[in-house]
Amino acid sequence: GQQVMQIPQYQHVQEGEDFTTYCNSSTTLSNIQWYKQRPGGHPVFLIQLVKSGEVKKQKRLTFQFGEAKKNSSLHITATQTTDVGTYFCAGRQGAQKLVFGQGTRLTINP
Amino acid sequence: DGGITQSPKYLFRKEGQNVTLSCEQNLNHDAMYWYRQDPGQGLRLIYYSQIVNDFQKGDIAEGYSVSREKKESFPLTVTSAQKNPTAFYLCASSPQTGGLDTQYFGPGTRLTVL
Repeated sequence: GQQVMQIPQYQHVQEGEDFTTYCNSSTTLSNIQWYKQRPGGHPVFLIQLVKSGEVKKQKRLTFQFGEAKKNSSLHITATQTTDVGTYFCAGRQGAQKLVFGQGTRLTINP
Repeated sequence: DGGITQSPKYLFRKEGQNVTLSCEQNLNHDAMYWYRQDPGQGLRLIYYSQIVNDFQKGDIAEGYSVSREKKESFPLTVTSAQKNPTAFYLCASSPQTGGLDTQYFGPGTRLTVL
């Protein structure tokens, strides 16, 4: 079945450093979504990518969807303490249900 | 939080007891989902429902049951057959039955089986 792998599992950075998490699928995806879960909270939708090679930005966050639509990345520039949390990617193959990656837990040293 | 409520926030049960987790949404969404999250793990799909009176098993349905008698409600029962029920349970809904939709999550219920 469809699998979505996400790396790294954990990342600790100094405040102000950049952060990147990567998501890879075993199959071609129709779209990919990114969610953020704050400690003790629930996942909150960030963005959805649909087109091959698509790049979207939200302030310091940059999201990319690979040309083959099998991988994606989330890059945060100059991290802040408010960025702490776990970031999940979730991919969908056709009209099938979303499959979530394992998540990348980001911690920040102020 | 998108109008999805889950209750209670924390739940404790003795081993061998069935327990039902509540999930209600007032977003008029067609689809609803139940996920399980274990520490340091991603979200694993238990059951989902695309329309009233219909639901499908997810990846880890064994030991769980659901019902969808009303559009706004999708309760999950954790039965005694679930071998390791202690986890964080998240309910979600989405406005479409497939395609380019996003999921809105409730605040979750943390179940501890003693």
